[in-house]
Amino acid sequence: GAVVSQHPSWVICKSGTSVKIECRSLDFQATTMFWYRQFPKQSLMLMATSNEGSKATYEQGVEKDKFLINHASLTLSTLTVTSAHPEDSSFYICSSQTATGYGYTFGSGTRLTVV
Amino acid sequence: AQSVTQLDSHVSVSEGTPVLLRCNYSSSYSPSLFWYVQHPNKGLQLLLKYTSAATLVKGINGFEAEFKKSETSFHLTKPSAHMSDAAEYFCVVRVTGFQKLVFGTGTRLLVSP
Repeated sequence: GAVVSQHPSWVICKSGTSVKIECRSLDFQATTMFWYRQFPKQSLMLMATSNEGSKATYEQGVEKDKFLINHASLTLSTLTVTSAHPEDSSFYICSSQTATGYGYTFGSGTRLTVV
Repeated sequence: AQSVTQLDSHVSVSEGTPVLLRCNYSSSYSPSLFWYVQHPNKGLQLLLKYTSAATLVKGINGFEAEFKKSETSFHLTKPSAHMSDAAEYFCVVRVTGFQKLVFGTGTRLLVSP
């Protein structure tokens, strides 16, 4: 079945540095990738929607200059957390809709800890 | 706007007993509804989905859900819980006309021996 590979699975970084998270669709073309964040014991909140070759659409309240999303190809989307701060520590998950429609495949998530 | 409400934040059952996780939806249109499961520090796995076909939807691992329009509900059930079912479960609705999903707040299922 459709697989989205997300890396890294966990990362610790110092405050003020930037971190890049990658999501690759392994056996299908992901024209649209969704990026979520999940705080401990909370639900997933959509941050942004990225479409291949165009600018991402951010949800209200999400800083587009802080969370840079690039979707340069049909198989790769990246999220860069710039100038990370401890409050950015969270679980980040990507997801893409498969070609069959209505089906969504999720990456395994990235646990970001900013110290 | 579409939304889902998961009525229980935690559900505790004993192994071998039935599981019921409740979800109510709000939608002006015929919704597309999903149940996903998430194990700790993992991504989400699709259990089942409803897309206006049969109202009783069978999923993986023995789970099923029934779409009841009159009650605006989409409860998840399983006849007999296994220890491996302990996880977080999310009821999800697809926003009509868009691809994006709206997640419920989640229900943590605890299974005791």
